Amino acid sequence: GQQLNQSPQSMFIQEGEDVSMNCTSSSIFNTWLWYKQDPGEGPVLLIALYKAGELTSNGRLTAQFGITRKDSFLNISASIPSDVGIYFCAGGIYNQGGKLIFGQGTELSVKP
Amino acid sequence: SAVISQKPSRDICQRGTSLTIQCQVDSQVTMMFWYRQQPGQSLTLIATANQGSEATYESGFVIDKFPISRPNLTFSTLTVSNMSPEDSSIYLCSVVLNEQFFGPGTRLTVL
Repeated sequence: GQQLNQSPQSMFIQEGEDVSMNCTSSSIFNTWLWYKQDPGEGPVLLIALYKAGELTSNGRLTAQFGITRKDSFLNISASIPSDVGIYFCAGGIYNQGGKLIFGQGTELSVKP
Repeated sequence: SAVISQKPSRDICQRGTSLTIQCQVDSQVTMMFWYRQQPGQSLTLIATANQGSEATYESGFVIDKFPISRPNLTFSTLTVSNMSPEDSSIYLCSVVLNEQFFGPGTRLTVL
């Protein structure tokens, strides 16, 4: 079946540092989504990407849809303590409705 | 965006019993989805629930274990039947409304 490889699994950084995480797949996806999950909560959508090569920003977050449609990255600039959480990438395919395949998650810890 | 609520938010259940989880959305949506997130793991799709038709289950999930109802365009239920400790997970409903949104989840612990 389709799988997403997300890396790194975890990151421990200092406040103010930039963060980068990525997802790769052996399959093509039509959409890439990035979510953040806080403890005890459901995932919250950060950025949605719909076109190969698309680069989209949301505040300090920037994500890109890889040109091969098999990868995506998320960057967080100037991290702050509230960035702490688990970040998930998810790939979707149009003709499978809203079915998403999720990466394993990147757990981010930010040291003040 | 969509506002999604789930009930209960958490429960502790005994082995062999069943629990029905409710999902309510503040907008009418065609497709609703149920995901499972096992402890420390990522999300896995259980089934897609369309109003007016039977749910479509993913590989590894069956209707007898996870019966789903979808009586209208704003509501769905997922039942976890004959529970065992391996069913201890967070169960999340999700909808597509331009983007895909998730509910807060139901944290289930089976003893």
